Amino acid sequence: DAGVIQSPRHEVTEMGQEVTLRCKPISGHNSLFWYRQTMMRGLELLIYFNNNVPIDDSGMPEDRFSAKMPNASFSTLKIQPSEPRDSAVYFCASSSSGTGFNEQFFGPGTRLTVL
Amino acid sequence: GENVEQHPSTLSVQEGDSAVIKCTYSDSASNYFPWYKQELGKGPQLIIDIRSNVGEKKDQRIAVTLNKTAKHFSLHITETQPEDSAVYFCAGSGNKLTFGGGTRVLVKP
Repeated sequence: DAGVIQSPRHEVTEMGQEVTLRCKPISGHNSLFWYRQTMMRGLELLIYFNNNVPIDDSGMPEDRFSAKMPNASFSTLKIQPSEPRDSAVYFCASSSSGTGFNEQFFGPGTRLTVL
Repeated sequence: GENVEQHPSTLSVQEGDSAVIKCTYSDSASNYFPWYKQELGKGPQLIIDIRSNVGEKKDQRIAVTLNKTAKHFSLHITETQPEDSAVYFCAGSGNKLTFGGGTRVLVKP
């Protein structure tokens, strides 16, 4: 099994540009999570999906952030327009449970730098 | 919502010694407490977890204890090795997983 796949691994962009992060969960997992990691705020849950449906997006910082899961094998996190304070490592994780109360498998992350 | 506090933020130990990391949580309804290890440049990886129906769980050199009355749980690593150097995160379930701030562990050879 290839594990959770994220792309790109690194992204450098300029303020105001649109950024799209991509995630392929582990096959058979029905829950998908997007996290953001920074030194100041640690590891924060942004949004999670169960069976492709967004369940809790209370962690999404503001309307500039949006996430979709069009099918069981693909999800995107979009930031439009991006700002320097969005610079962070973004992780995608998947799990076989609906509430996250089983092991979550994390991808390698996307390091985003907004200049 | 759930609030998880983790201490210490950094921990330096001599190879072969034990390391202990402590966490407290606020939501008495929480019933699942995983521990993740994050190595440099990688995503967190589960190393052990405990559910509220047990007080202790052990896996080789790693053990976790849970005190539901006091709302705290701890990670114990015995006979530490250089490859144990990493950042460790505790988490509590609540209605979703909430992570502690992390502990950077350095094992000195």
